[in-house]
Amino acid sequence: GNSVTQMEGPVTLSEEAFLTINCTYTATGYPSLFWYVQYPGEGLQLLLKATKADDKGSNKGFEATYRKETTSFHLEKGSVQVSDSAVYFCALSYSGAGSYQLTFGKGTKLSVIP
Amino acid sequence: EAGVTQFPSHSVIEKGQTVTLRCDPISGHDNLYWYRRVMGKEIKFLLHFVKESKQDESGMPNNRFLAERTGGTYSTLKVQPAELEDSGVYFCASSHSGDRNTQYFGPGTRLTVL
Repeated sequence: GNSVTQMEGPVTLSEEAFLTINCTYTATGYPSLFWYVQYPGEGLQLLLKATKADDKGSNKGFEATYRKETTSFHLEKGSVQVSDSAVYFCALSYSGAGSYQLTFGKGTKLSVIP
Repeated sequence: EAGVTQFPSHSVIEKGQTVTLRCDPISGHDNLYWYRRVMGKEIKFLLHFVKESKQDESGMPNNRFLAERTGGTYSTLKVQPAELEDSGVYFCASSHSGDRNTQYFGPGTRLTVL
């Protein structure tokens, strides 16, 4: 079946540090890939997505590239801010079954300190 | 445009009681999904509605869970009778049929079964 593995947290970084959160997946066919973010006290928000190999999703300074050869979708940001403190979830969606259900990783908690 | 809303935000009940969670999707979104995250685990898919029909209910854990979407608008998820292991956060998401890959999540309902 489909699965997503992302690096376990928590991750603590100083402001302006470089961020990488690793995410790899196992899936049949060609899934779409997503990063969702959950800020404290809020629901899940779609951060970025990529629907085919070599696509790069980007938003709010975050980027992730769909790498089919390594089945990866690592999240990166060049300079994190305190406001980026949140839990980040990598996810995939496969339409083969017709439902587009999302399969999530366990989430990575990021804390950015001033 | 209003986002996905869920009610209640928190619910504390005793084992054996019944609880009903409600989700109002974004207006015009035919697709509605339920997910849940139990403590320390991944967010897991429960089921998917297209309008009022259940497209995929492969994630429903057992027959104590009943989901409905009468009229194809809001949805309810009833747990009867609730067990301790049902505690967790229940998320609802919706998507437009023209872009089923992009799901918008509600803030979630935190259910605690004592």
